[in-house]
Amino acid sequence: DVKVTQSSRYLVKRTGEKVFLECVQDMDHENMFWYRQDPGLGLRLIYFSYDVKMKEKGDIPEGYSVSREKKERFSLILESASTNQTSMYLCASSFRQLGGYTFGSGTRLTVV
Amino acid sequence: SQKIEQNSEALNIQEGKTATLTCNYTNYSPAYLQWYRQDPGRGPVFLLLIRENEKEKRKERLKVTFDTTLKQSLFHITASQPADSATYLCALEGNFNKFYFGSGTKLNVKP
Repeated sequence: DVKVTQSSRYLVKRTGEKVFLECVQDMDHENMFWYRQDPGLGLRLIYFSYDVKMKEKGDIPEGYSVSREKKERFSLILESASTNQTSMYLCASSFRQLGGYTFGSGTRLTVV
Repeated sequence: SQKIEQNSEALNIQEGKTATLTCNYTNYSPAYLQWYRQDPGRGPVFLLLIRENEKEKRKERLKVTFDTTLKQSLFHITASQPADSATYLCALEGNFNKFYFGSGTKLNVKP
């Protein structure tokens, strides 16, 4: 069964820590995305990548960076975690415009 | 900027009835629209994609319409079941194959 795997389901970090969220897909998809989901705000796009070593800012990139060194892996980095980055983080991948996004199960990050 | 509106109030219906969820958008002319299902604590699951030149699309008990004049999509679940209870998200295509998501509508199907 094809899938997107996020490294952690739950994560608790301290303010100021550098946080890495990992995402791996096994479908050979070109496009990968990082969203955060907050109650009442829906899914907001942080960064996306449509090829290896390529990255584009989404709607809320501040405080985040990404890395895509291999096609199957897309990492989200919180340079210095803050409490307002407490959220559910969702990774997704897609093969151009065929079908839809395949999402991971999400990482619920709490910054204390 | 584009705006996507889904009813934030939960939709409560009786088992066996047809559920109809609405997605409205403004400042936007997407070529594609998608619907997803999301269960609590899980990532969204893709259900259907409809193109702007397709007025209607069906998949088993699901039906989606796409009215580019009204800037609206309707999502129908016929013969609804308690297992259909979830939050349903619409998503509209932007540039570079990225989609913008609505906040979702929670559907409760009561036995």
